[in-house]
Amino acid sequence: QVQLQESGPGLVKPSQTLSLTCTVSGGSISSGDYYWSWIRQHPGKGLEWIGYIYYSGSTYYNPSLKSRGTISVNTSKNQFSLNLTSVTAADTAIYYCARLVEMSTPSGSYYFDYWGQGTLVTVSS
Amino acid sequence: QSVLTQPPSVSGAPGQRVIISCTGSSSNIGAGYDVHWYREFPGTAPKLLIYGDSNRPSGVPDRFSGSKSGTSASLAITGLQADDEADYYCQSYDNTLTVVVFGGGTKLTVL
Repeated sequence: QVQLQESGPGLVKPSQTLSLTCTVSGGSISSGDYYWSWIRQHPGKGLEWIGYIYYSGSTYYNPSLKSRGTISVNTSKNQFSLNLTSVTAADTAIYYCARLVEMSTPSGSYYFDYWGQGTLVTVSS
Repeated sequence: QSVLTQPPSVSGAPGQRVIISCTGSSSNIGAGYDVHWYREFPGTAPKLLIYGDSNRPSGVPDRFSGSKSGTSASLAITGLQADDEADYYCQSYDNTLTVVVFGGGTKLTVL
């Protein structure tokens, strides 16, 4: 059974960088069959996709982040990480890591089959 | 404002059938991208319920079913149970925004 676990500070000061790590167990990031993704949920709101990374290091980000996000991978530790710079109170959210599956359909749809428990990050001075 | 529109809440009595709708546009559901559904209990991570419009992952009971038509999709839950009370989210892909998109979520209340 694949499991994902987020870790990182629960409190970040405004203008600083939010850094989170997701540790994957029960499966290898390097298998190449999946993408590895970050999603967040603002308090009481819906879900927002942040971006993904492939084991090779190729990435894609939600344009709404305005280039503040960076996702990296450490295949030797079976981990991937999120850095979000210049944070504001609007970045306060529960951050989830998840495994992203690309369906082998003509449209190339994507869905998340395994999620971490989520970690609350609060941006406050 | 979410790209996919869901009703904020639905309710039903135990044993009944409820349907949760998910309305998109020609750049996501209407463009042929699959719709996927997740269930989220308070304080826990979302769990995949339906993928590829109508497929159930192993372990998801057949009380849950998904369908899609045009620019909309639906999640049907039959034989409603008290522990079905949760938030339900639809998800697809948008080729104009070029991102994975979610609905705003629907809170299911079992009366």
